[in-house]
Amino acid sequence: NAGVTQTPKFRILKIGQSMTLQCTQDMNHNYMYWYRQDPGMGLKLIYYSVGAGITDKGEVPNGYNVSRSTTEDFPLRLELAAPSQTSVYFCASSYRRGGNTEAFFGQGTRLTVV
Amino acid sequence: GDSVTQMEGPVTLSEEAFLTINCTYTATGYPSLFWYVQYPGEGLQLLLKATKADDKGSNKGFEATYRKETTSFHLEKGSVQVSDSAVYFCALCYSGGSNYKLTFGKGTLLTVNP
Repeated sequence: NAGVTQTPKFRILKIGQSMTLQCTQDMNHNYMYWYRQDPGMGLKLIYYSVGAGITDKGEVPNGYNVSRSTTEDFPLRLELAAPSQTSVYFCASSYRRGGNTEAFFGQGTRLTVV
Repeated sequence: GDSVTQMEGPVTLSEEAFLTINCTYTATGYPSLFWYVQYPGEGLQLLLKATKADDKGSNKGFEATYRKETTSFHLEKGSVQVSDSAVYFCALCYSGGSNYKLTFGKGTLLTVNP
């Protein structure tokens, strides 16, 4: 099982450039998420989606955009990269059965903006 | 809003020592509680969970009990190993309406020395 797959694993961007972080899952999960992880700050939710065609902002959405055209894919777009977006980005997906659930994470994308 | 507070790290222990990582939470209603672990260079993976008060989650020798009266979910292990060195995240999930989001603590880095 592939689970949650993120690409690329590493990327260096120049200020003002744009890029898309790819995320795909093969578990047929409705819920998908993008987090950023900064040292000593834990994980902050950027955007999430509860199903194809539905997205919503998390805690730190500024400077990012998402789309969810299929159940499997949830790409994250950076339009004008800034040094403050240097971080490790994690995509996750989850299912919900009653009150129980588990989130599955990708291996992360380490982004440096210079 | 919902929040998770876990003890500041880093935590350094010798092999076979007893481990406690404290976690407390604030949430409306009755969230599910989780511990996730992140090994170096990898994404997060679920370690254990508890979905209601007094439930005990356990896995790989780790345990945590959902204490509603103290709003806590402390992680414990009786004898740590070098391979337990990782970052540990406490998290809660409170499903309000149709949404479902994980809220994470800042993480605690554990280093176990031989």
